[in-house]
Amino acid sequence: SQQGEEDPQALSIQEGENATMNCSYKTSINNLQWYRQNSGRGLVHLILIRSNEREKHSGRLRVTLDTSKKSSSLLITASRAADTASYFCATDAKDTGRRALTFGSGTRLQVQP
Amino acid sequence: NAGVTQTPKFRVLKTGQSMTLLCAQDMNHEYMYWYRQDPGMGLRLIHYSVGEGTTAKGEVPDGYNVSRLKKQNFLLGLESAAPSQTSVYFCASSPSPLYEQYFGPGTRLTVT
Repeated sequence: SQQGEEDPQALSIQEGENATMNCSYKTSINNLQWYRQNSGRGLVHLILIRSNEREKHSGRLRVTLDTSKKSSSLLITASRAADTASYFCATDAKDTGRRALTFGSGTRLQVQP
Repeated sequence: NAGVTQTPKFRVLKTGQSMTLLCAQDMNHEYMYWYRQDPGMGLRLIHYSVGEGTTAKGEVPDGYNVSRLKKQNFLLGLESAAPSQTSVYFCASSPSPLYEQYFGPGTRLTVT
């Protein structure tokens, strides 16, 4: 089963608005990562937040992590048409013996110009 | 510096045929991964490798085999393709699970 689950599954906003995507996971983690995938392309890493961090910024991106609720959010501010893509969270779970990320099913973001 | 490359980009197979997908990385990463992505879904881990000569099973390993004879290459084999293996296959590499993964462009495989 998927470790991370994104919410909402799809989001449509106007250019200039903010977009917020949420990710929930089930087990304790070492870190949580967010990736973007443009249609028909490979995934591109956006930001990594470690389990002892609560918030991280990168340009127009802001990621929060609440380990007590096992959830994370990705905020894209002042969205652009070029931000149209699918966004995935991925977790590096602790104590599974598997040294690999587990990906959620993604949020499809459409930014209308 | 090409990053992660995948060969081929597209392939159509008939049921029962075999093929090998090649992944190459030039970043000297220890970890390499093979995922499959089905329409509207996230990535599911097939197999991964923690270093040259080592491989391990992921979530959906059945019907696939892998080899990592050289550090820079990770091969994914389908011995007898089935329509259920129609998917987009992504390779990725990273220095460790504590860091980001770098993805290849994907291989779109159709099994008829």
